Amino acid sequence: DGGITQSPKYLFRKEGQNVTLSCEQNLNHDAMYWYRQDPGQGLRLIYYSQIVNDFQKGDIAEGYSVSREKKESFPLTVTSAQKNPTAFYLCASSQGAWGYTFGSGTRLTVV
Amino acid sequence: GQQVMQIPQYQHVQEGEDFTTYCNSSTTLSNIQWYKQRPGGHPVFLIQLVKSGEVKKQKRLTFQFGEAKKNSSLHITATQTTDVGTYFCAVFSSGSARQLTFGSGTQLTVLP
Repeated sequence: DGGITQSPKYLFRKEGQNVTLSCEQNLNHDAMYWYRQDPGQGLRLIYYSQIVNDFQKGDIAEGYSVSREKKESFPLTVTSAQKNPTAFYLCASSQGAWGYTFGSGTRLTVV
Repeated sequence: GQQVMQIPQYQHVQEGEDFTTYCNSSTTLSNIQWYKQRPGGHPVFLIQLVKSGEVKKQKRLTFQFGEAKKNSSLHITATQTTDVGTYFCAVFSSGSARQLTFGSGTQLTVLP
């Protein structure tokens, strides 16, 4: 079955560490996205990529970095510069102007 | 980017009662999408509305797009416990890059 796989499901980070969240899709979608969700709140866009080897900052890109070396992969690195990284991170993909398909998310906690 | 206001933020209903959530924009929208997120889960695409005055139904769910394409609603008839979750509307940002901006969501609780 086609879909998006995010790993790990839970991640604990020590202060000052960089961590990388994985996102892989086998839907052959061109566009991929990273959103952050805080408890009881909506989704805020971190980064997006419309095509391989190209990506753009979203509304809250500071403290995050991404790469898009392959069509199916869009990893997100949460750097030590992100002062409040504890959140639920959601990866999504889309093709054309249709609905997004989301992965099951990664819950990141700073310890 | 495009902004949408979604109300109410929370809604508690007795099982069997109806539920409605609304999204409003100050500008004309090209289209609007609706998603459902179960507790602890991820958003799932429900539907996209494109035409002025459009009404679409999915079983007990009715989606409407306003005549002026500035507002939309999701109505659930006779809620069930399986309807519990947060419902989001989402619109595409203006300009060449087509990324979605999500409303703040309406969290629905259904009391048995």
